[in-house]
Amino acid sequence: QQQVKQSPQSLIVQKGGISIINCAYENTAFDYFPWYQQFPGKGPALLIAIRPDVSEKKEGRFTISFNKSAKQFSLHIMDSQPGDSATYFCAASMLPGGTSYGKLTFGQGTILTVHP
Amino acid sequence: SQTIHQWPATLVQPVGSPLSLECTVEGTSNPNLYWYRQAAGRGLQLLFYSVGIGQISSEVPQNLSASRPQDRQFILSSKKLLLSDSGFYLCAWRAGTEYFSYEQYFGPGTRLTVT
Repeated sequence: QQQVKQSPQSLIVQKGGISIINCAYENTAFDYFPWYQQFPGKGPALLIAIRPDVSEKKEGRFTISFNKSAKQFSLHIMDSQPGDSATYFCAASMLPGGTSYGKLTFGQGTILTVHP
Repeated sequence: SQTIHQWPATLVQPVGSPLSLECTVEGTSNPNLYWYRQAAGRGLQLLFYSVGIGQISSEVPQNLSASRPQDRQFILSSKKLLLSDSGFYLCAWRAGTEYFSYEQYFGPGTRLTVT
């Protein structure tokens, strides 16, 4: 019930195209859904995050779509650029209070390659 | 602003040798601290977390241990390394004093190779 399932494992997109990565979760107690971007040899960087009280959040070219009833959320990268080539992780956590302590459960990651 | 440091950046150690990885956070007080391991560039597994000095919780049984001797210092250790301990070790922090602060920030990581 703690799992977060991410798909696809890898994605190839042409420059200017839209990249879409999907995640699904089972634990309805999850209350926070971030996306991280990781370049080779670097630590993951927080990209964008959403709470269940909204269905969409947009920051620049990055958008999270959230479907609470389906227990799914996705990352959309508009006008994808070669510099976006990285591994993307979705994650989920419960409210930091109580015994969860903000622990993140991660998806397995998606390797995105944007061809010029 | 807050920054998180990890060292060393890379480490090659023989099987059976001890290990000590260090993580420090600057610019915040009483953070929640986390150790993750990432194998083969995919999937982050939470190993330990700490909500205060001397308070350590383990997520998975393993050959590793963690300690928090100071508020902003988190150490990952092993007495005898195994080949399976190889991986990319990441430290992360969250603002522990803010109840609704969800954001977790990662350090640059330590690449450990056990030979």
